[in-house]
Amino acid sequence: AQTVTQSQPEMSVQEAETVTLSCTYDTSESDYYLFWYKQPPSRQMILVIRQEAYKQQNATENRFSVNFQKAAKSFSLKISDSQLGDAAMYFCAYRRPNYGGSQGNLIFGKGTKLSVKP
Amino acid sequence: EAQVTQNPRYLITVTGKKLTVTCSQNMNHEYMSWYRQDPGLGLRQIYYSMNVEVTDKGDVPEGYKVSRKEKRNFPLILESPSPNQTSLYFCASRRAGRGYGYTFGSGTRLTVV
Repeated sequence: AQTVTQSQPEMSVQEAETVTLSCTYDTSESDYYLFWYKQPPSRQMILVIRQEAYKQQNATENRFSVNFQKAAKSFSLKISDSQLGDAAMYFCAYRRPNYGGSQGNLIFGKGTKLSVKP
Repeated sequence: EAQVTQNPRYLITVTGKKLTVTCSQNMNHEYMSWYRQDPGLGLRQIYYSMNVEVTDKGDVPEGYKVSRKEKRNFPLILESPSPNQTSLYFCASRRAGRGYGYTFGSGTRLTVV
């Protein structure tokens, strides 16, 4: 069974600085997708960035980028120029492709709480 | 606006009193899913649906029922709620096909006393 591990329960960053959140996963699949979701105090789950395992290029969305290391099964999230609005819980998630009857369930890590200091 | 709408946002109920949490999406998504979020456990899937009349159990289905009679709606039913079902519930939907992420509703905070 696939598992997702976020080893940092809490992180802190100074405003305008850069922070990296770690995520590792365990799978025997070669084709899959990885996601980072943000959950601010409003509790809304917001998709931040996605990565397809067959793409070697790391995904980037504005100030958010990932470091995807497929052999190491690592998927870290880098937030550049951190802003007060980035303070939230961040969840790493894994999904299999939906073929062969699989419905491509999202498997979540337990989350990292990010604080941003002014 | 493309969205997943859940109702109610907050609900306090008593043990054994049947309740339904509604979920509706306006994006014509094939896949819909229910998750519960508990402190220290992250999000866990309860039930999912791949299309109308196609539903199946997720990781923690005990005590829950679902139905998918229309593509846009996917209600979660608790026939006899118990205190261990106190949790934050999310409905989510996505398009079928490669790489699509789920769009989540705003969550329903359920307390069973």
